Amino acid sequence: DSGVTQTPKHLITATGQRVTLRCSPRSGDLSVYWYQQSLDQGLQFLIHYYNGEERAKGNILERFSAQQFPDLHSELNLSSLELGDSALYFCASSQATGEDTQYFGPGTRLTVL
Amino acid sequence: AQSVTQLGSHVSVSEGALVLLRCNYSSSVPPYLFWYVQYPNQGLQLLLKYTSAATLVKGINGFEAEFKKSETSFHLTKPSAHMSDAAEYFCAVTWEGAAGNKLTFGGGTRVLVKP
Repeated sequence: DSGVTQTPKHLITATGQRVTLRCSPRSGDLSVYWYQQSLDQGLQFLIHYYNGEERAKGNILERFSAQQFPDLHSELNLSSLELGDSALYFCASSQATGEDTQYFGPGTRLTVL
Repeated sequence: AQSVTQLGSHVSVSEGALVLLRCNYSSSVPPYLFWYVQYPNQGLQLLLKYTSAATLVKGINGFEAEFKKSETSFHLTKPSAHMSDAAEYFCAVTWEGAAGNKLTFGGGTRVLVKP
């Protein structure tokens, strides 16, 4: 158990819908990262938050957004869903710096029908 | 741009045999390197990491990796495979000052252990 929790574990929805994925980082970690894992793209960095502030964006679509709240939990919002958005979405947390280990949650499996 | 290449998307080993998973990186600055393992329907678990200390890094479950700057490699080994090692393994790189401290992952190597 990494100490990072993600809910829900599975999510099945239809095209055009909007969903919210939730992540709670390990106790004491200020950084939260979101990654997408799909068969065709592999593991891709989406976005990083540090202590409530967005630090960097990766290959994140404009239909996707995220935020980190004062209690440090984070939410990833996916809207206007398409079939191709079906993937595993992982949250990871770390203390802060580049060499710090990122600890991954169990992931949310999103299926868009 | 920094990148990671894992040679071989699938590796099959016999129980008790050496496990060798290859990872080569491309980085214009000193890298931090990681190996993660993913068991079916689970998240990624850290096996080991290199952060410019000792070049031979020991991790959990009997795995180790050696950082070779001249070869830009960070191969993962385990002397004797166990059935429980069947999983997918990912090599990843980041570096100080990386945008968002993001991890850049290789494509993964799926390990099958034969009895």
